Amino acid sequence: AQSVAQPEDQVNVAEGNPLTVKCTYSVSGNPYLFWYVQYPNRGLQFLLKYITGDNLVKGSYGFEAEFNKSQTSFHLKKPSALVSDSALYFCAVSDHYGNNRLAFGKGNQVVVIP
Amino acid sequence: EPEVTQTPSHQVTQMGQEVILRCVPISNHLYFYWYRQILGQKVEFLVSFYNNEISEKSEIFDDQFSVERPDGSNFTLKIRSTKLEDSAMYFCASSEMSPTGKDEKLFFGSGTQLSVL
Repeated sequence: AQSVAQPEDQVNVAEGNPLTVKCTYSVSGNPYLFWYVQYPNRGLQFLLKYITGDNLVKGSYGFEAEFNKSQTSFHLKKPSALVSDSALYFCAVSDHYGNNRLAFGKGNQVVVIP
Repeated sequence: EPEVTQTPSHQVTQMGQEVILRCVPISNHLYFYWYRQILGQKVEFLVSFYNNEISEKSEIFDDQFSVERPDGSNFTLKIRSTKLEDSAMYFCASSEMSPTGKDEKLFFGSGTQLSVL
């Protein structure tokens, strides 16, 4: 069975500071990893994915994530946070690329303080 | 940008009643999904649907649940006899077939909050 853990319920960061949202995963085969973001009153939006290749993946809105196989992690990062980045962030994993049967985490609320 | 739309945004029902949650996926998408999130818990996969039949379903998706694409544009989730533990945010999603033949990223609706009293 596949699962992800997002250990922090809320991440507070000052505007302009680096933002990191943590995610660790568990999967029996090769992991296919995703980040989604949810803004208030909106559906989850795709940010980025890791399928294979370069461990550093770049996505929308200046976000990137680093796949670390030895630590089974896929942390989301942004060098300089904006107030508009305040949202709910979900990490997800699948062991089968393309079927979109994803195992999501609980989500992390990110609050960027002006 | 095209969006997945879900109605209603909130649904309150009595235990034992039937509810139908409605979704309009993005028009050229071929794969459809329902996920749910119970308050404070993880977002959970319920079911995927392709070519007018269920592709996969989770252990949550028991005989009380059914899905349908009644008219080529709507995609519905029916819960036959609701239980208190069905209270959750239900998300509909759709995806398109990529050139590699794999369905790629999901596009989600904003959800229907179902409250069973």
